[in-house]
Amino acid sequence: AQSVTQLDSQVPVFEEAPVELRCNYSSSVSVYLFWYVQYPNQGLQLLLKYLSGSTLVKGINGFEAEFNKSQTSFHLRKPSVHISDTAEYFCAVSTLRGTASKLTFGTGTRLQVTL
Amino acid sequence: ETGVTQSPTHLIKTRGQQVTLRCSSQSGHNTVSWYQQALGQGPQFIFQYYREEENGRGNFPPRFSGLQFPNYSSELNVNALELDDSALYLCASSLDRGPTDTQYFGPGTRLTVL
Repeated sequence: AQSVTQLDSQVPVFEEAPVELRCNYSSSVSVYLFWYVQYPNQGLQLLLKYLSGSTLVKGINGFEAEFNKSQTSFHLRKPSVHISDTAEYFCAVSTLRGTASKLTFGTGTRLQVTL
Repeated sequence: ETGVTQSPTHLIKTRGQQVTLRCSSQSGHNTVSWYQQALGQGPQFIFQYYREEENGRGNFPPRFSGLQFPNYSSELNVNALELDDSALYLCASSLDRGPTDTQYFGPGTRLTVL
C-alpha cells in the first residue's frame, strides 16, 4: 500500500527566509509524486510534479523539490518565502488502483509566513 | 480554457438526508475523481469516473455514488447522511486516467451535516 508522511504539521518562517517542507513516501510500485498548495477556502493548486528524469523539479511561484529514491523523500523548498506563500501544502503519490489513478495525500503542512 | 468548477459552495443538511454535489470538468478531460477532505486532514479518494463509467473506488460505502455525463459534468451523491460526512468535497478532472495525468482540482463544496 502507498502512504505519504509529512513530518511537520506546521512550519513558521519569517518573510524572505528559506523554507523546506518535508515529505516521505512509501510505495511498492513506480512512483509519481506531486505537491499541491491549498489557500484558505480554496481547492488544491498544483505546484510541481515528479514523473521521471531529473530528480530536481521546478514548479510555480519559485518552489522546487528533489526526489530522493534512496531516502524515499520528496522535500519541497523555496529559497525566499513571501507572505503570500502562507497556505497548506500537501504532498501526494499517484498510483493505479485497478484501472483508476488515485492520489494518496499526506496530512498537510501549514506554512505560516510572518514579517 | 475554463477551470474546474463546483456547486454549491456550501451546503447544510441533516442526518439521514440525501445530497447531490456537482462538478464541471475542464473541456476535453475524460476523467473525474472525487475526494473527501475532513477538517485538518488530506483529501481521501472516493472514486473515479472515466468516460461515464466508475473506474475505481476508495474505501467508501455504496451510499456514496456518482455519475459522469458526456458534457464534462459530474455528480457525487451521498445517501443517508451521517455526521462524519461533514467535510470539503473536491472534484478533480484529468485528461486521462493514468497515474501520470495531472489532476486539476475545483474549489470544493463544504458539506455540513447536523
